[in-house]
Amino acid sequence: GAGVSQTPSNKVTEKGKYVELRCDPISGHTALYWYRQSLGQGPEFLIYFQGTGAADDSGLPNDRFFAVRPEGSVSTLKIQRTERGDSAVYLCASSTLLAGGHQTQYFGPGTRLTVL
Amino acid sequence: TQLLEQSPQFLSIQEGENLTVYCNSSSVFSSLQWYRQEPGEGPVLLVTVVTGGEVKKLKRLTFQFGDARKDSSLHITAAQPGDTGLYLCAGANRGSQGNLIFGKGTKLSVKP
Repeated sequence: GAGVSQTPSNKVTEKGKYVELRCDPISGHTALYWYRQSLGQGPEFLIYFQGTGAADDSGLPNDRFFAVRPEGSVSTLKIQRTERGDSAVYLCASSTLLAGGHQTQYFGPGTRLTVL
Repeated sequence: TQLLEQSPQFLSIQEGENLTVYCNSSSVFSSLQWYRQEPGEGPVLLVTVVTGGEVKKLKRLTFQFGDARKDSSLHITAAQPGDTGLYLCAGANRGSQGNLIFGKGTKLSVKP
């Protein structure tokens, strides 16, 4: 079956521009996560959706970052007024509904964002 | 702030050698996961450990969760070039639901 897909795979933009990164989770997965991985670092949590709502957005670094999941499937991470420090690989993951257990998160290949 | 420290950061060994990588924290986690990540790909889950003192084996890989659930280790026996990659540990807490806290990873290179 299809895994988590992310588009584009690479995005180069200029400082100050707006970008959108898309994530298609595994079909039927109700939970969706966004992480950011900078060079030489582990993934850093940004935001987590359960269905259409953001259950935890405590990892978003500032108000330039925003994510939506209007129909409870595809999600878009939006970054306004990009800065060079936003350059990183943005990873998306999905999992089945949490039931108080320890869910497996399935990661996509990521979108490599470069801000010039 | 909960942090996970991994050591060593880099490890380069010859095929057939054994190795251990460590994941340490001053915080208690309800579970700890180990992932492997290859260049250009997302992390892939290897194992989840939940109970303090738990040991899990996956072929030549042995994972252990510390008794106090603050640390974990990954031991690889007779490493193969195919084991090359970035090994990440990640801690989870029931209260935070989806928020996984990752270490920086151990970059392993196994030379034939």
